Amino acid sequence: DQQVKQNSPSLSVQEGRISILNCDYTNSMFDYFLWYKKYPAEGPTFLISISSIKDKNEDGRFTVFLNKSAKHLSLHIVPSQPGDSAVYFCAANTNAGKSTFGDGTTLTVKP
Amino acid sequence: NAGVMQNPRHLVRRRGQEARLRCSPMKGHSHVYWYRQLPEEGLKFMVYLQKENIIDESGMPKERFSAEFPKEGPSILRIQQVVRGDSAAYFCASSLSGTGGNTIYFGEGSWLTVV
Repeated sequence: DQQVKQNSPSLSVQEGRISILNCDYTNSMFDYFLWYKKYPAEGPTFLISISSIKDKNEDGRFTVFLNKSAKHLSLHIVPSQPGDSAVYFCAANTNAGKSTFGDGTTLTVKP
Repeated sequence: NAGVMQNPRHLVRRRGQEARLRCSPMKGHSHVYWYRQLPEEGLKFMVYLQKENIIDESGMPKERFSAEFPKEGPSILRIQQVVRGDSAAYFCASSLSGTGGNTIYFGEGSWLTVV
C-alpha cells in the first residue's frame, strides 16, 4: 500500500515555462510535506516544505501548494531552467518523524 | 562544513560477504534514517534510529540486515551474506528532531554492488 504517490514518472517542459509536479497521499495523519530534488549518483537535496496548516509556501522560483481535502500537493517551478532537470521526490511526515517518499518524477527542461 | 557523511561511496561485495555502510549525521543531529533505492525505484524507508536506540525498523528486511547508532561514532548499516538483490543505493539522512515537522537531510549515498 503506497501512501505517497507520484503518478507521473516523467515530465518534459520548455525552458522558461512552468513545471508542475504532482503528488497524492492517502494517510490523513500526514501533517508535513516536503519536496526533494535528486541528481544521478547524488543524494536527495531538500527543496521546500509545507505544514498542513498552510495551503501555500513559496521560495523563489519554487512554490508548493497543498490541498488537504483532496490529499494532493504540487510543486510549481517557474520559470523552469535546464539545471532543474532532475528527479523530484515528494515526501510526507506524520508526527513520528520519518518521511515517506513517492517514487519520483523525472523532470526534463529543454533549452 | 558538517553535512551528512557516508562511506564508502561505492562498495563491491561478492555474494555471501558482509557489507558495512557508515553514516555520520550532520553536526548537532541525533536522529538518523536509512533509506534504500533499488534500480528504477523510489526511496524506501528502512530504519530510524536515535542514539543507542532503534525507533522504527518497520522497513528493514527481517533477516541479514541490522542497524545501529552507538553513543559514540557513526551509524552503521550492516548487511550479512549479501545477495544480488541487495545491490542498491543506500542513503542515510539525519534530522535535528524526531517530530513530524522536521526536515531530514541526506548524505550522498553508498552504492552497493553485489557480484
